[in-house]
Amino acid sequence: GDSVTQMEGPVTLSEEAFLTINCTYTATGYPSLFWYVQYPGEGLQLLLKATKADDKGSNKGFEATYRKETTSFHLEKGSVQVSDSAVYFCALRGNFNKFYFGSGTKLNVKP
Amino acid sequence: GAVVSQHPSWVICKSGTSVKIECRSLDFQATTMFWYRQFPKQSLMLMATSNEGSKATYEQGVEKDKFLINHASLTLSTLTVTSAHPEDSSFYICSASGPNYSYEQYFGPGTRLTVT
Repeated sequence: GDSVTQMEGPVTLSEEAFLTINCTYTATGYPSLFWYVQYPGEGLQLLLKATKADDKGSNKGFEATYRKETTSFHLEKGSVQVSDSAVYFCALRGNFNKFYFGSGTKLNVKP
Repeated sequence: GAVVSQHPSWVICKSGTSVKIECRSLDFQATTMFWYRQFPKQSLMLMATSNEGSKATYEQGVEKDKFLINHASLTLSTLTVTSAHPEDSSFYICSASGPNYSYEQYFGPGTRLTVT
């Protein structure tokens, strides 16, 4: 079945450091891929998405490229800020519009 | 656009009572709504998919008689936790997709349920 695996956290970085959160997926067909962010006590917010192979999603300085050959969708940001501290979820949209989420990676950014 | 609200944002109830959680799409019509459950420090687990005017489709292992879902209109879905027990305490999140946003899911802010 469809599934998403992402690196365990927490990830602790200093402000302005480079961020990578790994995400790989298993799916039948051609899923769309997403990154969501969840701030404490809140619901999920869409961060970025890619709908086909080699697409790059980007938003607020975050980027992720849909790599079909490695079944990956790693999240990157060149310079993180304290305000980026949150939990990040990788997800895929499979058949029947069902979403499958990774386990989430908590990011702590220290000033 | 594409705002989804949930009410209440948090609720405390006694064991054995029932609790209803509302999910509304505020500025679009949602043909399909999804209900998720999130345990502390864990990912979202899809509980059920509801389509307006029809019965919800529950994921394997989810008790449909305990978690009653109603999607009576294109802007409202409700989740009722019946005869709640402490193990039902969790964060419940709904999401909605609609004809204009059929490839997106927009998430509500979640409802924290605590059963004492």
